[in-house]
Amino acid sequence: QVQLVESGGGLVNPGGSLRLSCAASGFTFTDYHMTWIRQAPGKGLEWVSYISSSGHTIKSPDSVKGRFTISRDNGKNSLYLQMNSLKVEDTAVYYCARVPATCSRCGDHWGQGTLVTVSS
Amino acid sequence: QSVLTQPPSVSGAPGQRVTISCSGSSSNIGAGYDVHWYQQLPGTAPKLLIYGNNNRPSGVPDRLSGSKSGTSASLAITGLQAGDEADYYCQSYDTSLGDWVFGGGTRLTVL
Repeated sequence: QVQLVESGGGLVNPGGSLRLSCAASGFTFTDYHMTWIRQAPGKGLEWVSYISSSGHTIKSPDSVKGRFTISRDNGKNSLYLQMNSLKVEDTAVYYCARVPATCSRCGDHWGQGTLVTVSS
Repeated sequence: QSVLTQPPSVSGAPGQRVTISCSGSSSNIGAGYDVHWYQQLPGTAPKLLIYGNNNRPSGVPDRLSGSKSGTSASLAITGLQAGDEADYYCQSYDTSLGDWVFGGGTRLTVL
């Protein structure tokens, strides 16, 4: 079955960096676009970044552009999110999700999430 | 402030029907972009319930249905059950922002 497992979250100081990973299994990773979505404590969902199946197309909102970088290693069935210049408002649970061909802008399977806390 | 607007809460008795609305604008839902719905049970990751306005992934019961008209969409749940208590989010794409956009979420309480 489809499985997505995030890791790499933790406590970091404002201005610091963190790299999140998402290990995929149970499907052909190279066939799917992928995305990161976050949820601040007690708040709603916010889209963070998107990468095409080949890695050639990358998109992200202005709130993280220039600070966060999404990437993937198709040989390792893994998705990454490099987060730099972290701010207190980046504190959230970060989910990776698979983007199916049936809806090019939705996530049909999500990981359990990894918590990132930005605080001094 | 979310780009898509949902009511903060809705409630209904077991067996009843409830609807959750999702209001957008001419740059997202009104522009023809699909609406998707997610369910988030307490302490768990979101789960896709409805994609492409009115399609259910395998395993999602037909008690749940989605619709879209103009700049709005809605999720309907019939035969309400205690297990339906959760937060529900709508999601679409906004061409002005170039972003995936979400509603603020609606908490469903089964009375």
